Amino acid sequence: GNSVTQMEGPVTLSEEAFLTINCTYTATGYPSLFWYVQYPGEGLQLLLKATKADDKGSNKGFEATYRKETTSFHLEKGSVQVSDSAVYFCALRPGSGNTGKLIFGQGTTLQVKP
Amino acid sequence: EAGVTQFPSHSVIEKGQTVTLRCDPISGHDNLYWYRRVMGKEIKFLLHFVKESKQDESGMPNNRFLAERTGGTYSTLKVQPAELEDSGVYFCASSPLAGGPTETQYFGPGTRLLVL
Repeated sequence: GNSVTQMEGPVTLSEEAFLTINCTYTATGYPSLFWYVQYPGEGLQLLLKATKADDKGSNKGFEATYRKETTSFHLEKGSVQVSDSAVYFCALRPGSGNTGKLIFGQGTTLQVKP
Repeated sequence: EAGVTQFPSHSVIEKGQTVTLRCDPISGHDNLYWYRRVMGKEIKFLLHFVKESKQDESGMPNNRFLAERTGGTYSTLKVQPAELEDSGVYFCASSPLAGGPTETQYFGPGTRLLVL
């Protein structure tokens, strides 16, 4: 079946530190991969996406590369800011079938301290 | 352009009562999804509407949950009777019909439901 596994949180970093949030997936076919972010008090927002192997999604200084050989889509940022504090969700959309549903990981809480 | 809105933002009810959640998608979006996050775990898919039709309801936990989208605009999700394990955050998302496999789903802020 399809599933997404994220690293356990919370992750606490100092401002300007390097961030990696690991995400691995299990899927049949060729899924699309997403990172969503939920800032305090807000809904989920799409952060970035990749639709095929070796694609790199990027936005707001965040990057993630679709690695089919390791079934991973790790999120990285070179220098985090306090405003990046949020919950980050990795998700996939199955590549087979006619479904549009997203399958999410459990979320990783990031706290960035000044 | 207004985003996806959900009402209420919070609801606290007692076990056995009924609660109805509402979602207003972005205008013109034919796809509407319901998801749920329970106890800080992963967000799980509940169901998917295309206009007023249920495209996929494989994630609905049991027959205490009833979703409707009359007229293909807003949607309601009714829980009757509510149980303790129904507590969580219910998210709604919408997207245009022709988005295909790379469509972006736009999420609402969620309704936080607590069943006591």
